[in-house]
Amino acid sequence: DAGVTQSPTHLIKTRGQQVTLRCSPKSGHDTVSWYQQALGQGPQFIFQYYEEEERQRGNFPDRFSGHQFPNYSSELNVNALLLGDSALYLCASSYRDGSYEQYFGPGTRLTVT
Amino acid sequence: GNSVTQMEGPVTLSEEAFLTINCTYTATGYPSLFWYVQYPGEGLQLLLKATKADDKGSNKGFEATYRKETTSFHLEKGSVQVSDSAVYFCALSEIGYGQNFVFGPGTRLSVLP
Repeated sequence: DAGVTQSPTHLIKTRGQQVTLRCSPKSGHDTVSWYQQALGQGPQFIFQYYEEEERQRGNFPDRFSGHQFPNYSSELNVNALLLGDSALYLCASSYRDGSYEQYFGPGTRLTVT
Repeated sequence: GNSVTQMEGPVTLSEEAFLTINCTYTATGYPSLFWYVQYPGEGLQLLLKATKADDKGSNKGFEATYRKETTSFHLEKGSVQVSDSAVYFCALSEIGYGQNFVFGPGTRLSVLP
């Protein structure tokens, strides 16, 4: 049973560019959440997708957007990249059964230069 | 809003020593509480959880008890091993429709042989 997978593993972008990160949830999961983890800090919630809609959003600007596909996979898009966007981006999947257990992928390390 | 505070460390212990990592939280409702562990270069793994007051979560020798009266969820292990070296995150999850995690800043644990 494959767990949560993310691609790419690492990414280097220049300020002002746009980036797309991808996530495939654990088998049987229907909800995907995205988190930003800056170096030495805890993950910060960006947003959550369920039934192809954004259901909750953290304190992140509109430059951060996402999408969920019918197969439950998800994309995170960041426009107009800033140096401060450099971080590990984590995807977590879960099933809306009330257990509130989220399973995390290995993350995508984004470096903005 | 909801928040999690934990001792930031780093914590350095000798093998077989007793471990305590303190975690306190602030929440308006009745959250579920979690401990996640992050090994170098990896994503987060769920270590244990508790969903209501006085519940005790346990896994791999680690334990934590949900204390509503002190709003705490301290992590303990009686005898740590070198393989326990990692970063430990305390987190809470809002109950109800939608779910997102609020993480503490993490505590780096190093266990020396």
